[in-house]
Amino acid sequence: DTEVTQTPKHLVMGMTNKKSLKCEQHMGHRAMYWYKQKAKKPPELMFVYSYEKLSINESVPSRFSPECPNSSLLNLHLHALQPEDSALYLCASSHYRDTLNYGYTFGSGTRLTVV
Amino acid sequence: AQSVTQLDSHVSVSEGTPVLLRCNYSSSYSPSLFWYVQHPNKGLQLLLKYTSAATLVKGINGFEAEFKKSETSFHLTKPSAHMSDAAEYFCVVSASDTGRRALTFGSGTRLQVQP
Repeated sequence: DTEVTQTPKHLVMGMTNKKSLKCEQHMGHRAMYWYKQKAKKPPELMFVYSYEKLSINESVPSRFSPECPNSSLLNLHLHALQPEDSALYLCASSHYRDTLNYGYTFGSGTRLTVV
Repeated sequence: AQSVTQLDSHVSVSEGTPVLLRCNYSSSYSPSLFWYVQHPNKGLQLLLKYTSAATLVKGINGFEAEFKKSETSFHLTKPSAHMSDAAEYFCVVSASDTGRRALTFGSGTRLQVQP
């Protein structure tokens, strides 16, 4: 299995809702990432997990809460989002020690719309 | 610190003609360089990577890139464009000086292929 699977593919939520994005990989990668991508822009790093521990938080607002329950799963919990949070949310994974040589494997993303 | 500059935000070619997407990088250390492609409403797919082996790198779908240290460039080429090549292309750099396991993205080049 050489894929990163993200669910759901599309999500519409109100500003008072609580929802979660899910990401799963079975490649044995021990580094996992959340990126946010606005239209016509490159992806922006949000969070990095290494060996299931949060290693980088790029000053993301607390309404985004990541969780890595095991080495194959990465979640992003969403609460009280704003319309400007509407974007494509991408999950990626990589070998921890070989990130520099192998890059990432990306999922196809969750298209989030906040109304 | 490291950075990447994609010199063209938009490139338009005719089907069957060559493609050139330009990328310059800046890095204090020997970088690893990648090209990713993103089709509309999709995740990112790795096209090719340079990791200090051969300077001419062959990727998927007939794409190639040449690492030129003296010019700090990593331009992406393809001899003959196909309609299916229309997409957004990102040049990405990773270097060992950062201690981070995250990649730095260029701003992207949108490739349009005319029939």
